[in-house]
Amino acid sequence: EVHLVESGGGLVQPGGSLRLSCSASGFTFDYYTMHWVRQAPGKGLEYVSSISGGGGTTYYADSVKGRFTISRDNSKNTLFLQMSGLRTEDTALFYCVKDLSGTHAFDSWGQGILVTVSS
Amino acid sequence: QSALTQAASVSGSPGQSITISCTGTSSDVGSYNLVSWYQQHPGNAPKVMIYEDIKRPSGVSNRFSGSKSGNTASLTISGLQAEDEADYYCCSFTRSRNWVFGGGTKVTVL
Repeated sequence: EVHLVESGGGLVQPGGSLRLSCSASGFTFDYYTMHWVRQAPGKGLEYVSSISGGGGTTYYADSVKGRFTISRDNSKNTLFLQMSGLRTEDTALFYCVKDLSGTHAFDSWGQGILVTVSS
Repeated sequence: QSALTQAASVSGSPGQSITISCTGTSSDVGSYNLVSWYQQHPGNAPKVMIYEDIKRPSGVSNRFSGSKSGNTASLTISGLQAEDEADYYCCSFTRSRNWVFGGGTKVTVL
């Protein structure tokens, strides 16, 4: 069974930085593209970033490009999201998501980790 | 990247069929056969219901079906049931090599 557990969230001031982690199990981690998707409180889903199985290809939403960096450590089955220059509008529940095997769809989702940007 | 356009809410009675539309552009929905649909119940993570415009993952009821015409994709729920009451989001891969979601549609079972 696929299991994705996010960590590293919390309260940070505007302009600050935070690093999210996602520990994966139950599948061959380096076979799959992984994603981050977020959801502001009471709002809809918003795509954030993706990384290919080998880590060589990354994608970003325009809203986070230049501020967020996605990476992965396949030896530890862990996905990361380094966030800097945080803004109040980045406040959201961040989900770690496994790709549906090359279909460009989002398959298994973690429970999410809350990031709050506030002074 | 602008969000895909979805109606805010759709409702139907048990047993009826409803259709949720998702309108994008030639740079996203109209570019590839890569529209997916997600169901989200309150307090839960989303669940994929349709991928690659029309395909259903194993375990998803055949009451859910996807279609697309031009820049508009659609999700149809047949034989509406109480458990189908949830938020539904469409999503498309784009020519910019990223993804864009719709604003979401709240489905109410009357």
